[in-house]
Amino acid sequence: EIVLTQSPGTLSLSPGERATLSCRASQSVSSSYLAWYQQKPGQAPRLLIYGAFSRATGIPDRFSGSGSGTDFTLTISRLEPEDFAVYYCQQYGSSVWTFGQGTKVEIK
Amino acid sequence: VQLVESGGGLVQPGGSLRLSCAASGFTFSSYAMSWVRQAPGKGLEWVSGISGSGDNTYYADSVKGRFAIARDNSKNTLYLQMNRLRAEDTALYYCALVESYWYFDLWGRGTLVTVSS
Repeated sequence: EIVLTQSPGTLSLSPGERATLSCRASQSVSSSYLAWYQQKPGQAPRLLIYGAFSRATGIPDRFSGSGSGTDFTLTISRLEPEDFAVYYCQQYGSSVWTFGQGTKVEIK
Repeated sequence: VQLVESGGGLVQPGGSLRLSCAASGFTFSSYAMSWVRQAPGKGLEWVSGISGSGDNTYYADSVKGRFAIARDNSKNTLYLQMNRLRAEDTALYYCALVESYWYFDLWGRGTLVTVSS
C-alpha cells in the first residue's frame, strides 16, 4: 500500500501570502491518479485538483497542482480568507485509495 | 446532484449496522462509488469501493472481512454493511462518487457511527 506523507502539518500564513503544500508518496504514483481536497470544519471534503494538475469545476485559478513520481505540490498563489482550511492529497493504485494525513492552513 | 447518507447511530462493540447512501441527479449505475470515513478530529480514511455494475468490490485492510459494500442500481442506493464493529470504527462515514481517474468528485454530508458500550 502506498503511504502519502503531507508536510508541513500546519502552515501559518497571512491572507495574500503564497501557500506551498507537499505530498510525498512511499512509491511512485501515476500523476493521473493524484488528487487534492479542501475540507472546512463541519463540511465534507471538496475536490480541488485531479490528475495532479487539473482544477475541478469552479475552483479558482489561484489553486494549482504540480509534481510527478513521488513528489507532488499544491500551491495557493495568494491566500484568500476562505482558503484557510485542511488540505488532503489522495492517490489510487492497485484497487486501493489512500489519503495523506492532511495539512492545516491557518491564519497567522 | 446529491448523495445523502443515512443509517448511522450508536452501536455496541461487536454489533452491526447498515449504512445507506441515496443518489440523485446523475446516472448512478455509470459510476463507481466509495465509502470514506473520518474519525473525530482525524483525517480521511478510505474504507471501501464498488464498481458501477457492482461486480467488483474493494476494501481497506482495516475493514476487510467485517464490512461489505453493495449497491442497488434500480434504487440508486449504495450500502455498507458493517459487522463486528470496534471502537476504532467510530467515525463520520461519507459516501462519494468515484470519477474516471479514481478521484472523489461528489461527497455526501456523512452519517455518524459511534461504537461504544
